[in-house]
Amino acid sequence: KAGVTQTPRYLIKTRGQQVTLSCSPISGHRSVSWYQQTPGQGLQFLFEYFSETQRNKGNFPGRFSGRQFSNSRSEMNVSTLELGDSALYLCASSLEFSYNEQFFGPGTRLTVL
Amino acid sequence: DQQVKQNSPSLSVQEGRISILNCDYTNSMFDYFLWYKKYPAEGPTFLISISSIKDKNEDGRFTVFLNKSAKHLSLHIVPSQPGDSAVYFCAASASGTYKYIFGTGTRLKVLA
Repeated sequence: KAGVTQTPRYLIKTRGQQVTLSCSPISGHRSVSWYQQTPGQGLQFLFEYFSETQRNKGNFPGRFSGRQFSNSRSEMNVSTLELGDSALYLCASSLEFSYNEQFFGPGTRLTVL
Repeated sequence: DQQVKQNSPSLSVQEGRISILNCDYTNSMFDYFLWYKKYPAEGPTFLISISSIKDKNEDGRFTVFLNKSAKHLSLHIVPSQPGDSAVYFCAASASGTYKYIFGTGTRLKVLA
């Protein structure tokens, strides 16, 4: 079974631009979560989707948004990029969220110049 | 407010010995816990989980212990191997919240 895939793996943008990251979950997994990891920080929760519905959102500004499609694939978008948005963005999927392990993709490394 | 804490940023252990990684939490509503291993520039790899109805779960060389009264969990790796050198994260979730809170990680170095 293929794992979680994320595209692109690396991205360089400049301040003020916007970016869209993509995540394809493990086949059959319907819950997709997004996290941001910055140096020295743990993983910070961004949002969780299940059946195209956002069920929870972390403490991030409105510039961060996401969506999930009917095939469970998910995208996240960051508008008006700031230098502080440079991070590793990780996507994780699980069958259902509660009492289930999350399996992570390799991440997208975003650098904002 | 850091609800999940890993107070040891780093740990060094000799190959073949036991590695014990600790994690404390403050939210008594947390009822499911995960441990991950992470190498640089890769996504975290799931290791082991435990639900709050148990106090121990074992999988091969990895055992997780949960002490609910102390709000403390620990991951034991026996025997430790050089390939175990990585950053280890614990994560906790309360049912119905649809989010995991992660600790800041402990860097384990296993010395050959």
